[in-house]
Amino acid sequence: SQQGEEDPQALSIQEGENATMNCSYKTSINNLQWYRQNSGRGLVHLILIRSNEREKHSGRLRVTLDTSKKSSSLLITASRAADTASYFCATDAQDSSYKLIFGSGTRLLVRP
Amino acid sequence: NAGVTQTPKFQVLKTGQSMTLQCAQDMNHNSMYWYRQDPGMGLRLIYYSASEGTTDKGEVPNGYNVSRLNKREFSLRLESAAPSQTSVYFCASSEAGGREKLFFGSGTQLSVL
Repeated sequence: SQQGEEDPQALSIQEGENATMNCSYKTSINNLQWYRQNSGRGLVHLILIRSNEREKHSGRLRVTLDTSKKSSSLLITASRAADTASYFCATDAQDSSYKLIFGSGTRLLVRP
Repeated sequence: NAGVTQTPKFQVLKTGQSMTLQCAQDMNHNSMYWYRQDPGMGLRLIYYSASEGTTDKGEVPNGYNVSRLNKREFSLRLESAAPSQTSVYFCASSEAGGREKLFFGSGTQLSVL
């Protein structure tokens, strides 16, 4: 299975702190994506990083990719209560960029 | 700007009943997906369609069938519903599979009694 596994499963931090979530996967990939899901809602795309990229930024989000370790991390800086959500990574496979598999997610709670 | 539209939003079935979940996108995307999400869990891929005219099995295809009716529409059918299929079902679309971001529908909450 190429499924990504997020770590930790749950994270509780104070507003203003940074939050780091990790994703590990098993097989070689072309692309890795991060998504956010607010309770009871659909998923919203955050960042896509390609296998030849090492780091991408989007506002307060920073994603890194280490293909040698088959892992990625999502850093949210200066967190806000509104960042409370579940975060998922999704990977394709090197032999099929169409088959997108999601990990089990990290539940982030940002306390005011 | 409708994006990805799923119908129905809620459905209750009895064991053994059949139903079809509908999904349509208006973004001219090539790839479409069906996922299920059980409480407190991640999304599991049921079926996907890389492009019009093709469908492929995902991680958990048993008990489901799909039809890519045209470029816009991708339906998911439960032929004989089972309690284990109680879940929230999400449809998603992308311009080019994993090379581009997915847009998700708002989900269908299905209960099988």
